[in-house]
Amino acid sequence: NAGVTQTPKFQVLKTGQSMTLQCAQDMNHNSMYWYRQDPGMGLRLIYYSASEGTTDKGEVPNGYNVSRLNKREFSLRLESAAPSQTSVYFCASSEGQGVAGYTFGSGTRLTVV
Amino acid sequence: AQSVAQPEDQVNVAEGNPLTVKCTYSVSGNPYLFWYVQYPNRGLQFLLKYITGDNLVKGSYGFEAEFNKSQTSFHLKKPSALVSDSALYFCAVRDGNFNKFYFGSGTKLNVKP
Repeated sequence: NAGVTQTPKFQVLKTGQSMTLQCAQDMNHNSMYWYRQDPGMGLRLIYYSASEGTTDKGEVPNGYNVSRLNKREFSLRLESAAPSQTSVYFCASSEGQGVAGYTFGSGTRLTVV
Repeated sequence: AQSVAQPEDQVNVAEGNPLTVKCTYSVSGNPYLFWYVQYPNRGLQFLLKYITGDNLVKGSYGFEAEFNKSQTSFHLKKPSALVSDSALYFCAVRDGNFNKFYFGSGTKLNVKP
């Protein structure tokens, strides 16, 4: 019953460093998403992938890149981390058009110092 | 523009009393509305959704939500609160573009014994 798996769970980066957040789902969902959660701001969409081979920008894409490696995996890359990217990052997936809602991973807590 | 508002940052209620967590929305077309719950250091979990049909929707853990089209509201309710209901609750709306959900800022529910 894995659902959506995110790695790592915690990460501390220095300003300017790069890293990739990994996400994998085992539910055969077509759509995958990356959100960031900041206090008092709810969840904001960074990037999404409607299907394998496609990606699109969300509300706050600046400073991030994504790769939909295959149907299961959707990674988020920070090329040059900034303190403003300190946040909790959630990956989610949905079947088809998301009418049934999302399944979320347990999150990655990222601190940029 | 699509948006979701949760006017209360925090709701306090005594165990056994009814609870209400408020949500209002703005969306073009017919709204698809959702409630999610987040426990500490966990991802969001789906509680319930409104797509069409009866205005009163029943979901997990005894929660229900009432859709009110004229007031553009989708308040979450439970007749008798439990201490274990203490968590962060998010309202979300899916807009006409199926790949985009908009989340409210979240309401922290505190249920005291």
